[in-house]
Amino acid sequence: DTEVTQTPKHLVMGMTNKKSLKCEQHMGHRAMYWYKQKAKKPPELMFVYSYEKLSINESVPSRFSPECPNSSLLNLHLHALQPEDSALYLCASSQEGLAGGTGELFFGEGSRLTVL
Amino acid sequence: TQLLEQSPQFLSIQEGENLTVYCNSSSVFSSLQWYRQEPGEGPVLLVTVVTGGEVKKLKRLTFQFGDARKDSSLHITAAQPGDTGLYLCAGVPSTGANNLFFGTGTRLTVIP
Repeated sequence: DTEVTQTPKHLVMGMTNKKSLKCEQHMGHRAMYWYKQKAKKPPELMFVYSYEKLSINESVPSRFSPECPNSSLLNLHLHALQPEDSALYLCASSQEGLAGGTGELFFGEGSRLTVL
Repeated sequence: TQLLEQSPQFLSIQEGENLTVYCNSSSVFSSLQWYRQEPGEGPVLLVTVVTGGEVKKLKRLTFQFGDARKDSSLHITAAQPGDTGLYLCAGVPSTGANNLFFGTGTRLTVIP
């Protein structure tokens, strides 16, 4: 069982909707990540939070808005998405930030998003 | 530009066969991981290698990190249907970038 929990597992939304993806970890990890994965492709980094501060934003459109309320929680707020944003959104955590660390990420099971 | 190239991209073999997956780059990595991902699930960490030339074994899986820390291989002995999945190598660049770069992936199917 993964120790990173993502909800919801599946989400269908229209292009005018506002929704949120949620992620929680209780391993005491200090870095959390959002990745986007399209079918048959490797995960692509979207955002990195290190010690609850946004440290990396990989030029993600503003219709995706991350939030880290505390060290255990990570949200991804979605607004005015496009059909091409349909993908598996993966949350991950690591003990520390990647730089200087081993790069070991613990992933959640993902949230499958479909934008109609 | 893809930092980590995996080969082969697809592999379909019979149960009991051996296989090797390669992960190559022109960049140096401070550490390299291998993950396995099943459909609809997140990647699961299999192993981390940090020292050039390091070899790690996990039951029937053998992982090797190249001497120059630019490449890695995964060898599976006597493959089982349960080994089916997407295998991803991933590395943290030695430049200190706060990102884990994933390889292009190898989709393995083991036929019973």
